Amino acid sequence: DAGVTQSPTHLIKTRGQQVTLRCSPISGHKSVSWYQQVLGQGPQFIFQYYEKEERGRGNFPDRFSARQFPNYSSELNVNALLLGDSALYLCASSLFSGASTDTQYFGPGTRLTVL
Amino acid sequence: AQKITQTQPGMFVQEKEAVTLDCTYDTSDPSYGLFWYKQPSSGEMIFLIYQGSYDQQNATEGRYSLNFQKARKSANLVISASQLGDSAMYFCAMREVNFGNEKLTFGTGTRLTIIP
Repeated sequence: DAGVTQSPTHLIKTRGQQVTLRCSPISGHKSVSWYQQVLGQGPQFIFQYYEKEERGRGNFPDRFSARQFPNYSSELNVNALLLGDSALYLCASSLFSGASTDTQYFGPGTRLTVL
Repeated sequence: AQKITQTQPGMFVQEKEAVTLDCTYDTSDPSYGLFWYKQPSSGEMIFLIYQGSYDQQNATEGRYSLNFQKARKSANLVISASQLGDSAMYFCAMREVNFGNEKLTFGTGTRLTIIP
């Protein structure tokens, strides 16, 4: 079975631009979460979407937004890019079935560089 | 709020030896899940092992085992018979479920280097 996929692999943008990152979850997974990982740190939670609804949001500015589509794929949008937005953006999917063993499986990430 | 602490920024281990990566956590929730992920230089976070707060036995997955000491709030990862391919960043994470949402809180990670 295919794992979580993300596109593009790498992106280079300039300050003030907007970017869209894409994620396809594992088949059967209805929950998608986004994380930002700055160099040298652990991932930080940005959003969780389940059944096309936003279920959770981390401590990120309104420049960050996301959505989930009927096929459970998801997009993360970042507007008015800042240098500090340079990071690896990770997407994770899970069943979110209510079981304590629910595991989030991650994609390969999108590495965003803001110049 | 939940917190994960990994106090070993880096470790060097001889090939075929066992290695223990430390993780302590802080939470007021009685129900929680603890995870370990491996992150090679490619960037992908690879799930290794899971331990539930109510699990009576330590989790094991092949060469990976979790030394879970609930009273001490520690969940150390043990890798037996280390291999060169084990060289990577390792992250401990806690799963939090609140008000119909879930998120993982990660530690700062430990960079493990296996020496031939």
